[in-house]
Amino acid sequence: ETGVTQSPTHLIKTRGQQVTLRCSSQSGHNTVSWYQQALGQGPQFIFQYYREEENGRGNFPPRFSGLQFPNYSSELNVNALELDDSALYLCASSLEPGVNTEAFFGQGTRLTVV
Amino acid sequence: EDQVTQSPEALRLQEGESSSLNCSYTVSGLRGLFWYRQDPGKGPEFLFTLYSAGEEKEKERLKATLTKKESFLHITAPKPEDSATYLCAVLLGGGSQGNLIFGKGTKLSVKP
Repeated sequence: ETGVTQSPTHLIKTRGQQVTLRCSSQSGHNTVSWYQQALGQGPQFIFQYYREEENGRGNFPPRFSGLQFPNYSSELNVNALELDDSALYLCASSLEPGVNTEAFFGQGTRLTVV
Repeated sequence: EDQVTQSPEALRLQEGESSSLNCSYTVSGLRGLFWYRQDPGKGPEFLFTLYSAGEEKEKERLKATLTKKESFLHITAPKPEDSATYLCAVLLGGGSQGNLIFGKGTKLSVKP
């Protein structure tokens, strides 16, 4: 158990819809990062939040957005869903940015867009 | 462009047959290299962090090593429960805010 939980575990959405994925980080971890993992690929960095502010972003369009809350929970929002957004979405919590000695991952949310 | 390449893509071993997985990287400002294990449908599980060339770390049947251009994950006398996808990731310095760049992974199957 990593102490990082994600919800829901599975989700099916229709193209064009919006989705919100949730993550509860380990207590005391101020940093949360979100990754997208397509089938057969390694995880790709979406963005990172530190103390409720975005602290870095990968090559993902603005329709991918996030929030981090004071209670160590966070959200990933995706608007105008496309078929290629189908993937496993992972959140990882760590103490501070750039200190990923042990970034603890949740079990992921499997998103299917039809 | 920063890049992480893992080989082989898939590896099938008999129980007890030792082997190595490779992770080569071309990045600037490496701050650390990480190995994770991922079981199907689950999130990656942290195994090791290596920070400098020549460093080695061990955990049960696994041993990770690092050079200036690549890392190896050696598996000694593997068991069927070692079957999983092994991911390598690098942590960049500079203005990257600490995001990890992952390889595609090596899928390991160990047959009894």
